[in-house]
Amino acid sequence: EPEVTQTPSHQVTQMGQEVILRCVPISNHLYFYWYRQILGQKVEFLVSFYNNEISEKSEIFDDQFSVERPDGSNFTLKIRSTKLEDSAMYFCASSPRGSGELFFGEGSRLTVL
Amino acid sequence: QKEVEQNSGPLSVPEGAIASLNCTYSDRGSQSFFWYRQYSGKSPELIMFIYSNGDKEDGRFTAQLNKASQYVSLLIRDSQPSDSATYLCAVPRDAGNMLTFGGGTRLMVKP
Repeated sequence: EPEVTQTPSHQVTQMGQEVILRCVPISNHLYFYWYRQILGQKVEFLVSFYNNEISEKSEIFDDQFSVERPDGSNFTLKIRSTKLEDSAMYFCASSPRGSGELFFGEGSRLTVL
Repeated sequence: QKEVEQNSGPLSVPEGAIASLNCTYSDRGSQSFFWYRQYSGKSPELIMFIYSNGDKEDGRFTAQLNKASQYVSLLIRDSQPSDSATYLCAVPRDAGNMLTFGGGTRLMVKP
């Protein structure tokens, strides 16, 4: 069964460092997303991506964040200068139709020290 | 701020019983509603979605939508210990595809 894959599964970084989280969405899906979940809190939307551009972004997705689809398969989230409060599980998701039918990856846990 | 609210639980039911999970939402214009299951330490997994008022059944799961009262519920029949998880209600925001998630209800099914 096709699945969304994410790497790394866990990354520990120092405050101020740049981090890149990688995702391979399901191959025939057209809509890609990043969500995050701080431990014990709600799943929060960060950004959606369609047709090689950002279609929506939340208030969380400030200038420190960027997304890219560098080739036909990868979808990346970059955090330029990490802060302690960026520590969270980051989920990539893809959707065939751009509705709320999301297929999530297993997540990348980011710990900022 | 458009909200999606759920009782955090835990909701404890015996094996074989019906579990009833509820969700209220603030945006009266919302058109579609999604239920996700999240096992501890894992990612959310879509269970089902509903667009129209009334009931929608899928196996042991039934979603119920009442737009006038702005609530959506999920019933799980013949609950199994493997159903023990956190159930997340999610609603698209502003007719886009950005989902607003509720905080989830933790369900515990006791053998």
